[in-house]
Amino acid sequence: QVQLVQSGAEVKKPGASVKVSCKASGYTFTAYYMHWVRQAPGQGLEWMGRINPNSGGTNYAQKFQGRITMTRDTSISTAYMELSRLRSDDTAVYYCAAANSGTYEWGQGTLVTVSS
Amino acid sequence: EIVLTQSPDFQSVTPKEKVTITCRASQSIGSSLHWYQQKPDQSPKLLIKYASQSISGVPSRFSGSGSGTDFTLTINSLEAEDAAAYYCHQSSSLPGTFGQGTKVEIK
Repeated sequence: QVQLVQSGAEVKKPGASVKVSCKASGYTFTAYYMHWVRQAPGQGLEWMGRINPNSGGTNYAQKFQGRITMTRDTSISTAYMELSRLRSDDTAVYYCAAANSGTYEWGQGTLVTVSS
Repeated sequence: EIVLTQSPDFQSVTPKEKVTITCRASQSIGSSLHWYQQKPDQSPKLLIKYASQSISGVPSRFSGSGSGTDFTLTINSLEAEDAAAYYCHQSSSLPGTFGQGTKVEIK
């Protein structure tokens, strides 16, 4: 079955960048788009973007354009999400989610805390 | 961008009661609407896909209905373990959007 294992929690200062990884197993990595969704403390789910692991093509939410980069390494079945110019309101749990016919299989989440 | 609006935002319910959560889309999305349950400090879990399709391993008390712009998640005979936040999600078009969530509390 699909398993997504994300990297550990991060603490960053405002203005810095963070790169979160998501290692996939249990399926053919290139078969499913990988999406990234975040959740601020006590808030709802916010879609950030997706990457086609086969081609590397990306689609980003307009809100994050210019600050977000999604990449992948097919040799190790791992997707990455990098967010730059961090602000305090970027403090959130970041999830990767493999999209299988429209629905998501979720990673365990990575807490990113932005604090001076 | 398709906006999904859930109601209510919060519901306090007695065990064995029936719970109904609605999700309204700002434009027609056919049946491309999915429901997730999220318990504190856990990742979301898929409950219903494509408006009404059941998911293996999910208790049969969870059901979904609707198409176009109006959708409903029903929990028949609520159990204590159902205390959670519930989100609808549309996969009809990018950006993928979620409802704001409905928190279900057990009285």
